[in-house]
Amino acid sequence: GDSVTQMEGPVTLSEEAFLTINCTYTATGYPSLFWYVQYPGEGLQLLLKATKADDKGSNKGFEATYRKETTSFHLEKGSVQVSDSAVYFCALAGGSYIPTFGRGTSLIVHP
Amino acid sequence: DAGITQSPRYKITETGRQVTLMCHQTWSHSYMFWYRQDLGHGLRLIYYSAAADITDKGEVPDGYVVSRSKTENFPLTLESATRSQTSVYFCASSDGIGRSGNTIYFGEGSWLTVV
Repeated sequence: GDSVTQMEGPVTLSEEAFLTINCTYTATGYPSLFWYVQYPGEGLQLLLKATKADDKGSNKGFEATYRKETTSFHLEKGSVQVSDSAVYFCALAGGSYIPTFGRGTSLIVHP
Repeated sequence: DAGITQSPRYKITETGRQVTLMCHQTWSHSYMFWYRQDLGHGLRLIYYSAAADITDKGEVPDGYVVSRSKTENFPLTLESATRSQTSVYFCASSDGIGRSGNTIYFGEGSWLTVV
């Protein structure tokens, strides 16, 4: 079945550091890929998505590129802020199936 | 635009009691979901519904019951609460599933403690 693997956290960075959170997936066909973010005490919300190979999703300075050849959708940001501290979930939606979520990666940004 | 709302937000109950978590969405989305979030397990799907009167099991359905008599409501009932059901529960909705790329919209969560 479809699956998503995320790097384990927590990821701890200083403000203005470069962020990468790795996500790889297993799926048949050509799924859509997502990154969701969960701020403390809140539900998840969509951060960005890509629906076909080589698409780049971007939002709030975050980017991720759909790489079919490496089955990856890594999340990057050039300069993180304290306000980016949250849990980040990679997800995929393939075929006609319910979306599959990764386990989440906690990001802690220190001033 | 209220979006998706859950109630109660916080609940403490005793083992063996029946508890119902409510979920209401204002978008008329066809799909609705219930997830639980636990440390070390991420998000796990409990039940989902493709439309009114259509529900199906997810990954961890045991001990839970759902119904969907109206498109906008999707209550989750714990028939006889156990300590292992202490968790944060998220309701969510979406216009569709699959590779069409539909966004899933989440409620703010219901924190349930079973003592």
